[in-house]
Amino acid sequence: AQTVTQSQPEMSVQEAETVTLSCTYDTSESDYYLFWYKQPPSRQMILVIRQEAYKQQNATENRFSVNFQKAAKSFSLKISDSQLGDAAMYFCAYRSAGQGGSEKLVFGKGTKLTVNP
Amino acid sequence: EAGVAQSPRYKIIEKRQSVAFWCNPISGHATLYWYQQILGQGPKLLIQFQNNGVVDDSQLPKDRFSAERLKGVDSTLKIQPAKLEDSAVYLCASSLGGGTGTPQYFGPGTRLTVT
Repeated sequence: AQTVTQSQPEMSVQEAETVTLSCTYDTSESDYYLFWYKQPPSRQMILVIRQEAYKQQNATENRFSVNFQKAAKSFSLKISDSQLGDAAMYFCAYRSAGQGGSEKLVFGKGTKLTVNP
Repeated sequence: EAGVAQSPRYKIIEKRQSVAFWCNPISGHATLYWYQQILGQGPKLLIQFQNNGVVDDSQLPKDRFSAERLKGVDSTLKIQPAKLEDSAVYLCASSLGGGTGTPQYFGPGTRLTVT
């Protein structure tokens, strides 16, 4: 079974600075998807960024980028120019790419990000 | 485009009572998911529907939890009877599915408190 580990329960960053959230995963599959979701307090889960395992190029979405190291099974999220609105729980998630089967997301326990003004 | 809708947003019940949650996915999304998120943890899949068929319910406690997706659109998740450990946020999500790798989009969740 696949597992996702987020080793940083909490992180903090100064506004306008850069922060990196760590995520490692364990799988025997070669094809899969990885996601970062953001969950603000008492608000719904929002997709931040998505990475296909077969793509070597790291995904980027505006101020958010990932460092995907397939051999190391590492998938970190970098937030540049941090803003107060970035404060939230961040979850790393894994999904198998197999067709016709379960498409469940396997989540880590999350990292709580605080942005200081 | 309207997002995933869920109701109610909050529910408080006593143990051994029953409760039901409703979800309306994004229009055109064939796949619907119910996740359970216990405080301090990441969500865990309870059940996945593809249209109105069940794809994965391996982690659904079937002695007390049931779910249906009649007509392949809306879905209802029921707990009967509830236990204290069922206190959690129940998240509904939807996606185009079909192995396309498209992301799952989540609703606001229903926060259940069992006393």
